[in-house]
This record gives sequence, structure tokens and C-alpha cells, in this order.
Amino acid sequence: KAGVTQTPRYLIKTRGQQVTLSCSPISGHRSVSWYQQTPGQGLQFLFEYFSETQRNKGNFPGRFSGRQFSNSRSEMNVSTLELGDSALYLCASSLGLRVEQYFGPGTRLTVT
Amino acid sequence: EDKVVQSPLSLVVHEGDTVTLNCSYEVTNFRSLLWYKQEKKAPTFLFMLTSSGIEKKSGRLSSILDKKELFSILNITATQTGDSAVYLCAVEASPGAGSYQLTFGKGTKLSVIP
Repeated sequence: KAGVTQTPRYLIKTRGQQVTLSCSPISGHRSVSWYQQTPGQGLQFLFEYFSETQRNKGNFPGRFSGRQFSNSRSEMNVSTLELGDSALYLCASSLGLRVEQYFGPGTRLTVT
Repeated sequence: EDKVVQSPLSLVVHEGDTVTLNCSYEVTNFRSLLWYKQEKKAPTFLFMLTSSGIEKKSGRLSSILDKKELFSILNITATQTGDSAVYLCAVEASPGAGSYQLTFGKGTKLSVIP
């Protein structure tokens, strides 16, 4: 069974731009969660989608948004990028309400 | 605000040593505590603990939860260089019906020297 895939793996953007990251969960997994990982803050929860609905949201500004499609694939969008948005963005999928999540390899975003 | 604190932040040991990693937490509506190993990129799942006093084991790794004192430990015996990684503790809380949220600690960086 293929694992969680994320595209792109690396991305360089400039301040003020916007970016869209993509995550394809493990086949059959309906829950997709997004996390931001930085050296200073560690892993922080962004939001979680289940069956195309945002079920929970972490403490991030409205510039961070996401959506999930009917095939469970999910996208995360960050608008008006700031230098502090430079991070590894991880996506994880799980079966429904189970919390045994499987993480993708992440997208390394650098904002200059 | 939910909080998860791991200690120590980093640890250097020699191969064959036994290590104990600590995780304490303060969350509302605790559901479970999870341990992950992160080597280079994606964290990989190790254990999920929901009940106090029941040890989970997988080879040389074991973990136990104390829900009264709000902490968990992760033990690694006979450490190997392949155990070098950041070990993350996460606590699942249930802020509302049908939803959950994971709060991660900052991790413990373990380095095993040959």
C-alpha cells in the first residue's frame, strides 16, 4: 500500500506570495491533518479534515486555509507569506477517528 | 491551553546503554498519548497509550502511562546507533464531539555513540 505523498517536496517563495501544498493520503484513509514544524516551535497542529469537512483547527491565523476533496486528497494554502512561515509542512492521514496517523515526507517551504 | 513537556531535550549515550525519556502533559479531555520517532523527515508511530499502568512493548522499546500523575515514559534498552532520532510525545485531547486535536512536545533528541 502506498504511503502518504506530498507535493512539492521543496518550495521557495518570496514574502507576500501565496502557496498551495498538496497531500494524498493512504488509500482508504478519510482523515487528513496538517502540521507545521519549525526548530523553535516544534510540531504544531494546523487543521484536520474528514470527509471534506474541517473538523478541527489549531491556533493559526486565517492566512492558513485548507480543503479536502471527495477522493480525500487535501490541499493547504498560505496567503501573504511571511518569513516566519518558513517551515516543514507535514500531512498525516488516518482511518476515520483513529489517531494512529501516518505522516508524509513533508514539504519544505522557504520564504525569502 | 494544552501543554506537553518532554525531558530531557537532548541526550547522548553509548551503544548498549538504557535510556528513559519523559513526557508530562496538561490537557483538557485527555484521550490518549502517543510516541513517535522522527529520524530525518516524517515521524513514525511507535505507541499509543490510553490506560494507566499498562506497558506497551515493541522489541527493545517500551512505554507506560500514568494518568494520575499525567506523565509517560519511553524506555529504550540496549541502545543502537539506529535509535538516534528525535522522539516526540503527543497527547490527543477531545475538544468537542467527533473531533480531536494532537498537541506535540518539543521532542527529545537522542544520539547513540558507537
